Amino acid sequence: GAVVSQHPSRVICKSGTSVKIECRSLDFQATTMFWYRQFPKKSLMLMATSNEGSKATYEQGVEKDKFLINHASLTLSTLTVTSAHPEDSSFYICSSGGRGDLNIQYFGAGTRLSVL
Amino acid sequence: GQNIDQPTEMTATEGAIVQINCTYQTSGFNGLFWYQQHAGEAPTFLSYNVLDGLEEKGRFSSFLSRSKGYSYLLLKELQMKDSASYLCASMDSNYQLIWGAGTKLIIKP
Repeated sequence: GAVVSQHPSRVICKSGTSVKIECRSLDFQATTMFWYRQFPKKSLMLMATSNEGSKATYEQGVEKDKFLINHASLTLSTLTVTSAHPEDSSFYICSSGGRGDLNIQYFGAGTRLSVL
Repeated sequence: GQNIDQPTEMTATEGAIVQINCTYQTSGFNGLFWYQQHAGEAPTFLSYNVLDGLEEKGRFSSFLSRSKGYSYLLLKELQMKDSASYLCASMDSNYQLIWGAGTKLIIKP
């Protein structure tokens, strides 16, 4: 399957700072990437769909000014959590794929964000 | 609305067989996926069914019945490392995955 690299794996930051998370597809060109967040013992929640060269599509209830997504190339998408607060603490996971390759999504390792 | 149902938790014995069921209701259908997620890690792809029937892949098999909106994941010869959450997801007509809450599988020696 495809290889997706996500960095950093863990971030601890102070309230009010911004955090950038990178997601790279290493062995194929990902025109579409997905950003999820997951709370403990809960299912994945889709935050936004990131399309290369265009604006991301955000799910209802997700603040686009709070969670900035950039997909400037076919191999890199970034999620920036702006002015992070303790309630933003969560597990953020990216995935690539969804069309072609049998519609399979391959996930990055995830980023655990802890906001103090 | 769109909905995925799967049991919250199951327990099985090492070496045994376990079947994890999933029922789904989505707007359109482009396939049913199973992922494995160990605690603190991201999901890893296990299987994909788009046609009715059983897909076998080593110790893991996945079954789909589109008319019933039903799938199951069958794990044989259980090993301790199979202790994880198993996520069922249905892809809707917009190619968006609708996720179940996951089934936590506990393997006992």
